Amino acid sequence: DGGITQSPKYLFRKEGQNVTLSCEQNLNHDAMYWYRQDPGQGLRLIYYSQIVNDFQKGDIAEGYSVSREKKESFPLTVTSAQKNPTAFYLCASSMGGGTTGELFFGEGSRLTVL
Amino acid sequence: DAKTTQPTSMDCAEGRAANLPCNHSTISGNEYVYWYRQIHSQGPQYIIHGLKNNETNEMASLIITEDRKSSTLILPHATLRDTAVYYCIVRVYNQGGKLIFGQGTELSVKP
Repeated sequence: DGGITQSPKYLFRKEGQNVTLSCEQNLNHDAMYWYRQDPGQGLRLIYYSQIVNDFQKGDIAEGYSVSREKKESFPLTVTSAQKNPTAFYLCASSMGGGTTGELFFGEGSRLTVL
Repeated sequence: DAKTTQPTSMDCAEGRAANLPCNHSTISGNEYVYWYRQIHSQGPQYIIHGLKNNETNEMASLIITEDRKSSTLILPHATLRDTAVYYCIVRVYNQGGKLIFGQGTELSVKP
């Protein structure tokens, strides 16, 4: 079945360590997105990519980095510069980057910094 | 900044229609209204979206006012599995067509 796969589902890291979250989609979608969700809050956009080898900062990009070397993959690295990394991270994709067409979300990765 | 306003929580009796309101008074002409729902610790699930006209699919109906300043999501026969946080979202054209999430409405369907 087509969809978005995020891994790992749960991740623990020590302060000062970088960690990379994986996001893979087999929907042949051009656009991919990373969102962050804190308890009781809505989602906030970290980074997005509308085409391979190109990506843009979202609203809260500080302390994060991404790459888009392949159409189906959009990994997110949470660096040690991110001051409060403990959160629920969600990856999404859509056919295009305009205003039509739904975004499909993965099941999320929950990162806890110890 | 979220472009939508929703009630924080609502209750609905099982089998009855759930009507979830949303205000989006600053929506622009080319911006769509999307509805997603999220069950705890899962990814948001798409429900429906629309621009001007009312829309219906197998999950729900979306009623948009003529001035586009507000909308209502209708779940015609709510079940216990419909208990979730429902997000009314405006999809903006810039930033890759991102979805701007607000706080959402926590819907509790009760037996």
